[in-house]
Amino acid sequence: SQELEQSPQSLIVQEGKNLTINCTSSKTLYGLYWYKQKYGEGLIFLMMLQKGGEEKSHEKITAKLDEKKQQSSLHITASQPSHAGIYLCGADGVREYGNKLVFGAGTILRVKS
Amino acid sequence: DSGVTQTPKHLITATGQRVTLRCSPRSGDLSVYWYQQSLDQGLQFLIHYYNGEERAKGNILERFSAQQFPDLHSELNLSSLELGDSALYFCASSVVVTGTDTQYFGPGTRLTVL
Repeated sequence: SQELEQSPQSLIVQEGKNLTINCTSSKTLYGLYWYKQKYGEGLIFLMMLQKGGEEKSHEKITAKLDEKKQQSSLHITASQPSHAGIYLCGADGVREYGNKLVFGAGTILRVKS
Repeated sequence: DSGVTQTPKHLITATGQRVTLRCSPRSGDLSVYWYQQSLDQGLQFLIHYYNGEERAKGNILERFSAQQFPDLHSELNLSSLELGDSALYFCASSVVVTGTDTQYFGPGTRLTVL
């Protein structure tokens, strides 16, 4: 069973619109990773969050880790077709999940021009 | 380009056969992780090696085995293949052994078992 829940499962947005993807864990997160994947290709690292309340941005993508360290959100501002793909959150809870990354099921993002 | 290389890119084989997937980590990375991605199971951790030693096992079948060589490249061996083994197999690498260190993923090997 999945230990990370991502929502929504899929999303279709008009180009230029903002969107948010959520990742919720049933256990405390010691490290939360966001990756992007084009269908059938490798995962591209976006950001890593460790501290409660931490927020990081890269270009038009911002990710936050809540204070209780059990949820993260990924926000894309003014979406573009290049943002389309599958967004995966991965959790590293060395003490909770063991020495590995556990991934959510992914959120499929489509951006309409 | 993450710096992690995987070969082959595609592999088509028959049930009952054995295949070997190869991974070269980024320069300087000592940890190699293997993951399996399928439509029904998502992305699942298989096994982790650090500097030649196995450090953690995930949902890896007994028919599968891996090793990391002195030059740090790793191989994942899949034997007695079944239709359900068809999936994308990724390796990732990182500098250290523990988590909270970014894992960089290779482009994957797509395995099709007929």
